[in-house]
Amino acid sequence: AQSVTQLGSHVSVSEGALVLLRCNYSSSVPPYLFWYVQYPNQGLQLLLKYTSAATLVKGINGFEAEFKKSETSFHLTKPSAHMSDAAEYFCAVSANAGGTSYGKLTFGQGTILTVHP
Amino acid sequence: EPEVTQTPSHQVTQMGQEVILRCVPISNHLYFYWYRQILGQKVEFLVSFYNNEISEKSEIFDDQFSVERPDGSNFTLKIRSTKLEDSAMYFCASRVAGGSFNEQFFGPGTRLTVL
Repeated sequence: AQSVTQLGSHVSVSEGALVLLRCNYSSSVPPYLFWYVQYPNQGLQLLLKYTSAATLVKGINGFEAEFKKSETSFHLTKPSAHMSDAAEYFCAVSANAGGTSYGKLTFGQGTILTVHP
Repeated sequence: EPEVTQTPSHQVTQMGQEVILRCVPISNHLYFYWYRQILGQKVEFLVSFYNNEISEKSEIFDDQFSVERPDGSNFTLKIRSTKLEDSAMYFCASRVAGGSFNEQFFGPGTRLTVL
């Protein structure tokens, strides 16, 4: 079984400030972890993913995330927020279960990021 | 750049009516998915489809739901008799063959409103 918890349904930062969006997961098998972003009236777009290689993962638009097994966390960060980062962000987990997994994603509840001038 | 498309963008229907939501996945993808998001709630997995059959489904995906790939391009979700609680945004996704670490590409969604 898998689950994802995103702490904070809304996060507000100033332009240029650090962005930190929190994600904790639970998985009975080694996980694959993903961050997706959704802009208004658009589908979910992949920001980055952890697939059991490097624990620090870099993604698009300057975002990165660090997989910490001991903390069961995969927090998303960006050193300096831009107005265009305003969107909803979803953390998701998929089971690394070899041939028995068809890739079902289990999502967190989402975090809406607001960036103000 | 290839993308997943979904039609219609918004569907309004009366309770008890049948609806068909349509998706065109990316052409070389082999795994197909439906997810839904009820307003204010999490995105939830409904069903995965591979090799012309359902590979996995959630508890939500009961007998009222069905999926089909009627030709080489479309992937549809049918709800036979809609309920008020089926009102949600429905997302289609697809990915290439291989491990589940491969990215799922999502469509823009269909907003279903059941009155």
